[in-house]
Amino acid sequence: KAGVTQTPRYLIKTRGQQVTLSCSPISGHRSVSWYQQTPGQGLQFLFEYFSETQRNKGNFPGRFSGRQFSNSRSEMNVSTLELGDSALYLCASSSGQSYWETQYFGPGTRLLVL
Amino acid sequence: QKEVEQNSGPLSVPEGAIASLNCTYSDRGSQSFFWYRQYSGKSPELIMFIYSNGDKEDGRFTAQLNKASQYVSLLIRDSQPSDSATYLCAATGFQKLVFGTGTRLLVSP
Repeated sequence: KAGVTQTPRYLIKTRGQQVTLSCSPISGHRSVSWYQQTPGQGLQFLFEYFSETQRNKGNFPGRFSGRQFSNSRSEMNVSTLELGDSALYLCASSSGQSYWETQYFGPGTRLLVL
Repeated sequence: QKEVEQNSGPLSVPEGAIASLNCTYSDRGSQSFFWYRQYSGKSPELIMFIYSNGDKEDGRFTAQLNKASQYVSLLIRDSQPSDSATYLCAATGFQKLVFGTGTRLLVSP
């Protein structure tokens, strides 16, 4: 099976702009979780989508949003970018049947905000 | 108090030694625990998971879980320089997976 794919792999944006990141899960997986990883904070949970519905959300401002399509692909959007949004954004997929099953990560999108 | 805590390291061990990585968690309701390895600039990859008290072995890796003490560990036997990476511990929380900040392991030849 093909793994989790994320596009683009690298992005450079300026403050105030918005950005959309894409994630395609492993075939058959219906759950997609998004994480932000920074050197100081580690992996922080953003949100999880299952069957096109946001099932859980972390403690991030409303500038961070997402959605999931009927083919389980997911997008994450960040509006009004701030310097502190520079990070590695990772998505992970799982079947979504339970919260204690393994999540498989994509290669990530590295976002730099100038 | 962080939900999942790990010593950031670096933990330095010589090649061939046993590396011991530790993790504590605060949520007594956590049911499953995962160890991921992350090389610099790469995404995390799963090493193993454990959900029952005791030890679970997979090749050179052994995960240990003690729910009473809320403690998870990962032992790497015969450590190799290629094991040098950051090891992330994760625990299932309320409807999500919670990660520690990781322990950096350095294996010297």
